[in-house]
Amino acid sequence: EDQVTQSPEALRLQEGESSSLNCSYTVSGLRGLFWYRQDPGKGPEFLFTLYSAGEEKEKERLKATLTKKESFLHITAPKPEDSATYLCAVQQGYGGSQGNLIFGKGTKLSVKP
Amino acid sequence: DTGVSQDPRHKITKRGQNVTFRCDPISEHNRLYWYRQTLGQGPEFLTYFQNEAQLEKSRLLSDRFSAERPKGSFSTLEIQRTEQGDSAMYLCASSSPFRGRPTYEQYFGPGTRLTVT
Repeated sequence: EDQVTQSPEALRLQEGESSSLNCSYTVSGLRGLFWYRQDPGKGPEFLFTLYSAGEEKEKERLKATLTKKESFLHITAPKPEDSATYLCAVQQGYGGSQGNLIFGKGTKLSVKP
Repeated sequence: DTGVSQDPRHKITKRGQNVTFRCDPISEHNRLYWYRQTLGQGPEFLTYFQNEAQLEKSRLLSDRFSAERPKGSFSTLEIQRTEQGDSAMYLCASSSPFRGRPTYEQYFGPGTRLTVT
């Protein structure tokens, strides 16, 4: 069964304290891996798409990397405004659904000043 | 470009009533998706359309749920005879094929929060 597991469930950091969030996945052929940010009461906001192992994407203080089994979202010198839930999702490449994303439960990040 | 919009943003209804939600996708996007999200969980896929054709429905989509996209633009999601277990955030997303890419990036709307009392 296709699965996406994110860890940790919650992460509390001090402002400036760098860390990483993990997303491990099992899927029958990966078409793409996506990272989203979600603020309370709002819809997910698209951050990155990764397509193949070894690929990296960066945006401000965030950097996403991908291996054959997992993805990491590295946060460098976070600020309080980075506080949010970060969601990882995958899309299958072979058989199964060609449309939907399979999401993990997310990592809730809190950055204290 | 105004992004994906959803209406209403909040809906409170009594058990057994019918409710309908609307989603307006990004204008040039031909794919539209519905997801449901409960507290502490990631979004779960319900159904998606390519233009006006409904291409896939999840097992989560019981007979009480129906979705339409009559002209390939906006979409509606109707829940009949609501139950307390239907309380959730209903999210809409849209996407468009990107040449040279193997998949489509989905952009989400703000969601409709449904509370069934």
